[in-house]
Amino acid sequence: AQRVTQPEKLLSVFKGAPVELKCNYSYSGSPELFWYVQYSRQRLQLLLRHISRESIKGFTADLNKGETSFHLKKPFAQEEDSAMYYCALLLFGNEKLTFGTGTRLTIIP
Amino acid sequence: NAGVTQTPKFQVLKTGQSMTLQCAQDMNHNSMYWYRQDPGMGLRLIYYSASEGTTDKGEVPNGYNVSRLNKREFSLRLESAAPSQTSVYFCASSPRGDQPQHFGDGTRLSIL
Repeated sequence: AQRVTQPEKLLSVFKGAPVELKCNYSYSGSPELFWYVQYSRQRLQLLLRHISRESIKGFTADLNKGETSFHLKKPFAQEEDSAMYYCALLLFGNEKLTFGTGTRLTIIP
Repeated sequence: NAGVTQTPKFQVLKTGQSMTLQCAQDMNHNSMYWYRQDPGMGLRLIYYSASEGTTDKGEVPNGYNVSRLNKREFSLRLESAAPSQTSVYFCASSPRGDQPQHFGDGTRLSIL
């Protein structure tokens, strides 16, 4: 079965420093991968998906099939980036998203 | 445009009581989902509905039933609540299964 691993439950980064939230998946095919974010007192919302190749709020994520990773990166952290981040995997032809356990990112002023 | 609306936002039940969580979306989406969120476990899919009139089990369906009442509404029922069902429940919808999902605000449910 497919699995998504986010090894860091908590991550603290100083404002202005680079951010990397790790995500690894286990699946031998070609998945679609997403990052969802939940800011304090807000709904879980889509941050980005790998097929769109967009940069949202300064975040990017590259799918590395060799390492089965989809790490989320931002060169300069901002205080408003503090939130819970979830990596999620969707198999083509399958309706179900598989979520990782999430990483709580805290930006230190 | 409300998006996905869940009711109630909070509920406390006693063990053995029954409860229905309501979810409605106004985006004309075909697919709807119910998740539970527990500390350290992320979001786990309980049930989903790919279209009106169809439902399928997710990862953790035991102890729950669902009804896709129409295209807009997808309810989750706990017939006999257990303390292990204490959780935050999220409803989501998407235009179809391979599209990003839109989430509601969640229902915080405590079973005593």
